[in-house]
Order: sequence, then structure tokens, then C-alpha cells
Amino acid sequence: DGGITQSPKYLFRKEGQNVTLSCEQNLNHDAMYWYRQDPGQGLRLIYYSQIVNDFQKGDIAEGYSVSREKKESFPLTVTSAQKNPTAFYLCASSRPATNTEAFFGQGTRLTVV
Amino acid sequence: DQQVKQNSPSLSVQEGRISILNCDYTNSMFDYFLWYKKYPAEGPTFLISISSIKDKNEDGRFTVFLNKSAKHLSLHIVPSQPGDSAVYFCAVVNYGGSQGNLIFGKGTKLSVKP
Repeated sequence: DGGITQSPKYLFRKEGQNVTLSCEQNLNHDAMYWYRQDPGQGLRLIYYSQIVNDFQKGDIAEGYSVSREKKESFPLTVTSAQKNPTAFYLCASSRPATNTEAFFGQGTRLTVV
Repeated sequence: DQQVKQNSPSLSVQEGRISILNCDYTNSMFDYFLWYKKYPAEGPTFLISISSIKDKNEDGRFTVFLNKSAKHLSLHIVPSQPGDSAVYFCAVVNYGGSQGNLIFGKGTKLSVKP
């Protein structure tokens, strides 16, 4: 079955540590996105990538980094520079330049302890 | 400044009645609009979309209306069911500076009471 997978579903990290969230898709989509959801804030774009080896900052990129070495994978690293990392993180993929919907993963809940 | 606005953070409706969720946008160049439904601790799932060449799109109990002159779209759910209780996000595809980028509203939490 085609889809987009995020892992793990729940993640705990100690303050000051970097952590990497996984996102994999087998939909053959060129574009991938990372969003963050906080209560009452909706979905805010962290980073997006339209093509392999290229990515762009979204609205709240500070304290995050990404890579796009393969079409299927778009991992997000939450660095120790991110001041409020506890949140629900969502990855999505789509076929840009087409009027089709984006598909989302199930999300990763990151808690800093 | 928000480009996509959902001004009602929450909506409560009785089962069997109509739910109307609203969304306003600022850029008249946006031409593809989507609604997503999200349950707690899950990723959003696509519900329905509409292109700017249409003013209405229907899929079962869900209908999306687009008023381009007012830069407004709405999602109608008829009849509403308790299982429809979720957060609904309006989104637009921004082909302007970032092709394929999605811009989301802040969401409206719908509660359908039995």
C-alpha cells in the first residue's frame, strides 16, 4: 500500500539533545513538507522540499534542519537551538504543480523532558 | 499576516443538522483549495477540494462552496454525525513563490452532539 510513514509516534528527549524524526513515502511524490502543530496554532510550515537535494525554509525553520538525499525520505532534526520543541510534528508529501491533495503521515509527538 | 483565516476556532452542532465551516483567504491568485479533517494525535486526512474554475464541489455529505469575489470558501456537512467531530483545516495551494506549498488556516474544532 502506498503511503507516508512517520516514526516514532511518540518521542522523548532531554533538553539540550538533538533528535531526528523520520518521514518516508512510497507515493513517488516530489514534494515533501514538515509542519508543526501547537494547540490553537494550526499547522505551521517548518521546511519543505520540492525535489531531491533541495529544500527551503518555511515560516518557523529556526532550530530545525532537514535533508533530502532520497526522494522517499525527508528527515527532520530538532536541534538544541529550538527553544520550544515540544509539539506534534506532521510530515506530508504531494505532487507539486498538480491540483491534487497532499498526504500526511500520522505524526510524531515530541516531548522534551 | 495570515493568508488563510478560519475565524471560528470552534463550532457545536446537533446531530442531523447542517455544519458550516468558513474560511477566508487574502490572495486572489490562489486557485486550488482543500479541506482536511484531523482527529487528535493523528495526521490530517484529505476531505474535499475545489478549483477556482468551480463554485461548488460535492462529495456525499460534504459540499464545498467557493466565492471568489469574496475570497471565501465554506464547507457544508449535511447531515452532521457525531463521527464528524474533529478539527477541520482549510488549505490553499500557493503556486506563487513556492510551487506546491500548502498554506493552512488555524482550524475549526467541530463538535457534533448526539
